[in-house]
Amino acid sequence: AQKVTQAQTEISVVEKEDVTLDCVYETRDTTYYLFWYKQPPSGELVFLIRRNSFDEQNEISGRYSWNFQKSTSSFNFTITASQVVDSAVYFCALGTGNQFYFGTGTSLTVIP
Amino acid sequence: EAGVAQSPRYKIIEKRQSVAFWCNPISGHATLYWYQQILGQGPKLLIQFQNNGVVDDSQLPKDRFSAERLKGVDSTLKIQPAKLEDSAVYLCASSLVFSGTETQYFGPGTRLLVL
Repeated sequence: AQKVTQAQTEISVVEKEDVTLDCVYETRDTTYYLFWYKQPPSGELVFLIRRNSFDEQNEISGRYSWNFQKSTSSFNFTITASQVVDSAVYFCALGTGNQFYFGTGTSLTVIP
Repeated sequence: EAGVAQSPRYKIIEKRQSVAFWCNPISGHATLYWYQQILGQGPKLLIQFQNNGVVDDSQLPKDRFSAERLKGVDSTLKIQPAKLEDSAVYLCASSLVFSGTETQYFGPGTRLLVL
């Protein structure tokens, strides 16, 4: 069975702190993709990143970085030097075959 | 490149009334998805289209929900009659091809409140 677990329901950090959002997935497929989306209060889901199961290189994009570890079935997302604009709900998702599975989301609040 | 367009952005109706939502996907995207997102939860897939054909509507409450994508471009989702529990955000997404591994791009959503 395919599944995405985001154990952290809510996180609060003070501005400029670093924060890591956890994502653990389950799949028996060897080919799959992992995604992160951001949902700010406006409601639109904004695509952040897509990684395939054969590429375990970490990725950095500005203040955002992603750590993909197949050994632990995790695809964690770190925001460095958090800002108030980072306050949002973040969803991790797994895509495999013709199916797409969302986690339940982590609500991040960055306090000024 | 224009993103996924949805309208209306907000809708308030009484229970048992009907409502329709419209979505125009990114140009050239063959696959279109409708999701329901209840407050505090992740998106739940209602239906997905490949061009103008339905490929998955297993979670669509067919007694009251219907959707169409007649010309393989824009789509309409209808609820008739609405219930209180239909209050949610309805998100439309599109992807280039039909595959779970393709990135889905989302529209701004329609917030529905059923009173």
